[in-house]
Amino acid sequence: EDQVTQSPEALRLQEGESSSLNCSYTVSGLRGLFWYRQDPGKGPEFLFTLYSAGEEKEKERLKATLTKKESFLHITAPKPEDSATYLCAVPPPTDSWGKFQFGAGTQVVVTP
Amino acid sequence: DGGITQSPKYLFRKEGQNVTLSCEQNLNHDAMYWYRQDPGQGLRLIYYSQIVNDFQKGDIAEGYSVSREKKESFPLTVTSAQKNPTAFYLCASSPSGGSTLNGELFFGEGSRLTVL
Repeated sequence: EDQVTQSPEALRLQEGESSSLNCSYTVSGLRGLFWYRQDPGKGPEFLFTLYSAGEEKEKERLKATLTKKESFLHITAPKPEDSATYLCAVPPPTDSWGKFQFGAGTQVVVTP
Repeated sequence: DGGITQSPKYLFRKEGQNVTLSCEQNLNHDAMYWYRQDPGQGLRLIYYSQIVNDFQKGDIAEGYSVSREKKESFPLTVTSAQKNPTAFYLCASSPSGGSTLNGELFFGEGSRLTVL
């Protein structure tokens, strides 16, 4: 069965302390890997899509990378406003696009 | 502004009652989805619809029902047959739900259902 696993479950950072989140997947024939940010009590907000190994995307203090088996979300010099749960998701290799497999998320707390 | 509107944001239900969650989008997207989110678990797909008047079961459809009479609307009914309905429910849409590469999902703000 296709699986998406995120680690760690939770991450507590001091402001300015860079770190990385991991998303590993077992889907064969990857059609894309998506990162979302979710604030408490809100719906997920799209961050990045990565389509092939070696690809990188950046947005402000966030940088996403992709290998054949996993993706990393690097947070450089985080600020308190980066506190959120970060979700990764992959669509099925075939079948309807919208049947994404989501990881359980990494909850990030950045303290001043 | 275009987006997805879910209502109500909070809902309380007594055991044995059916409740309906509303989802409306003005993005002109063909495909719409309902996900359920529980603490410590990834989002799980309940139902999805790729086109008006058609919908398919997701991974956890038991105890739920949907309709898609209009392109803009995809309401979810949580029936009394759903054994553990307390959860955060998210509606999403995408331009198309077919098998072709199609970009990210757009999510609503969610509805939190609590069974008393």
